[in-house]
Amino acid sequence: GQNIDQPTEMTATEGAIVQINCTYQTSGFNGLFWYQQHAGEAPTFLSYNVLDGLEEKGRFSSFLSRSKGYSYLLLKELQMKDSASYLCAVKDSNYQLIWGAGTKLIIKP
Amino acid sequence: NAGVTQTPKFRVLKTGQSMTLLCAQDMNHEYMYWYRQDPGMGLRLIHYSVGEGTTAKGEVPDGYNVSRLKKQNFLLGLESAAPSQTSVYFCASSETGTSSHPQYFGPGTRLTVL
Repeated sequence: GQNIDQPTEMTATEGAIVQINCTYQTSGFNGLFWYQQHAGEAPTFLSYNVLDGLEEKGRFSSFLSRSKGYSYLLLKELQMKDSASYLCAVKDSNYQLIWGAGTKLIIKP
Repeated sequence: NAGVTQTPKFRVLKTGQSMTLLCAQDMNHEYMYWYRQDPGMGLRLIHYSVGEGTTAKGEVPDGYNVSRLKKQNFLLGLESAAPSQTSVYFCASSETGTSSHPQYFGPGTRLTVL
């Protein structure tokens, strides 16, 4: 079967750095997406990786290792507004997105 | 440019009732999707469409029907609602399905079936 694993919940301090991991086992791989979802709101697109390596977008970076079936989202200089769930999703061989259950990130002052 | 919109935002149904959820996008996207999101689980694809007049089944299609008569609209129907269909329903659209184009989501419909 297809599986995306993420930690259920993480806690970090305002101003710090946090790394949210995602491991996947899917039938084929056509890219990995990270989304942010604030409570009661829609998921919003953060990043896309299809080749190995690091993609940086401001305070957010995303890393991919296809050989290890592994990705992480790195958030720097954490702000209270970063409190949200972070969803990892992999596009499989049929170009369908397979979603992880999400990681709830709690930021403490 | 409103993006993806959904109506209604909230709905309470009794078991056996029917309803239609409406999704509209103004980005001229070809692909549209209906997902459900339940606590502790990832988003699950119900049905999707790769263009006007086309629909296809996703991971959890039973109990739902869809139609895409116009490119900008994607309707999700529940013919006879069941408590197991209590969920948050999200519509999404993407420019295409086979590239790096991300999916853009509507605000969601929170449905409770009693």
